[in-house]
Amino acid sequence: DTTVKQNPRYKLARVGKPVNLICSQTMNHDTMYWYQKKPNQAPKLLLFYYDKILNREADTFEKFQSSRPNNSFCSLYIGSAGLEYSAMYLCASSSYTGQLYFGEGSKLTVL
Amino acid sequence: GDSVTQTEGLVTLTEGLPVMLNCTYQTIYSNPFLFWYVQHLNESPRLLLKSFTDNKRTEHQGFHATLHKSSSSFHLQKSSAQLSDSALYYCALNGNYNQGKLIFGQGTKLSIKP
Repeated sequence: DTTVKQNPRYKLARVGKPVNLICSQTMNHDTMYWYQKKPNQAPKLLLFYYDKILNREADTFEKFQSSRPNNSFCSLYIGSAGLEYSAMYLCASSSYTGQLYFGEGSKLTVL
Repeated sequence: GDSVTQTEGLVTLTEGLPVMLNCTYQTIYSNPFLFWYVQHLNESPRLLLKSFTDNKRTEHQGFHATLHKSSSSFHLQKSSAQLSDSALYYCALNGNYNQGKLIFGQGTKLSIKP
């Protein structure tokens, strides 16, 4: 089963409120990623976990947090949502082959 | 840092014509991995092709691409477009395999008309 699942699929949030997005995979992959995708833009890597080691991109370091309580789960946390956070958030996992398996995405709308 | 450039935002073709989507990259690493991902409407991106071998053609589902390190290119081609090929195509780069970081181009929307 090569499935990555994301919850919720759609999230409506108010400005200034926290947002928590969840991702799970059952492939025992070492690495899990979070990408932000806005219309007509490339998916932008926010952070990734290799095993228990979190790597965050420098330009989004303070905006997003994440946790990986076990190999299968990974969360993306926004402490205080702003309008600019409205986007599709894609979770992916990969093994040693480097191939990424994507979830269906979580569409976040901030009002 | 690493980057990927896809020059065409939208490519519109008639069914049966050949397809070529451009991809060039920049990286400081000498052995990058290059990928093509395809995303159909209302689906998540999935891997179409990958390569890390210079000047070797890789093929899958009628598409092919050759990594050319001399020109930092990994163009996607198909000899005859089908209606079902209509989708968003992303070129992606993993410059340092040990780092595990995949960088995407902006994507090319391929639209095939009857």
